[in-house]
Amino acid sequence: SQELEQSPQSLIVQEGKNLTINCTSSKTLYGLYWYKQKYGEGLIFLMMLQKGGEEKSHEKITAKLDEKKQQSSLHITASQPSHAGIYLCGADRGAQKLVFGQGTRLTINP
Amino acid sequence: DTAVSQTPKYLVTQMGNDKSIKCEQNLGHDTMYWYKQDSKKFLKIMFSYNNKELIINETVPNRFSPKSPDKAHLNLHINSLELGDSAVYFCASSASELLSYEQYFGPGTRLTVT
Repeated sequence: SQELEQSPQSLIVQEGKNLTINCTSSKTLYGLYWYKQKYGEGLIFLMMLQKGGEEKSHEKITAKLDEKKQQSSLHITASQPSHAGIYLCGADRGAQKLVFGQGTRLTINP
Repeated sequence: DTAVSQTPKYLVTQMGNDKSIKCEQNLGHDTMYWYKQDSKKFLKIMFSYNNKELIINETVPNRFSPKSPDKAHLNLHINSLELGDSAVYFCASSASELLSYEQYFGPGTRLTVT
């Protein structure tokens, strides 16, 4: 099994709907990163969470790190076509090493 | 201005060949990385260098040899290419003095071994 499990692996939603992507770790999370990848492109940093209970927002995207620090969720409100892509969570495993989940492919239907 | 650039963007080659992928960053970062993303989109770190010194070396075949001539460059050389090496390879960089050390990724190099 993977150290970081994301769910769902793929998600299709209608434009304007809200959605949530989860990232569960088998170890305590000391730093959790969310990245977005568009097809054929590199990863774009979205946000980073470090403290249990922490919540950050950027435009219509909100990420939370749960109190027990083994799970994070990414919530998108009123989804738009520009939100489509692959979302990856990455965990800080020390020495600047990031371990990534398998990604969630998000499709937004008009 | 491109922050992290990789060349080439696409690379098609035959089994047994030797090839190199180049990476350059103009962000002034002191740490650079190579990642491999397989066909299932699973992204795994291969190497990291800090100030030209190898920091992370995951379980990667020794056919893969990274080289960092200076802080701004980290090249990846692959000997005796195999079918399983087909993947997208991403270079990334970060600034180690920042606690959050957000990593900036290049656009990727899609390697196809036939």
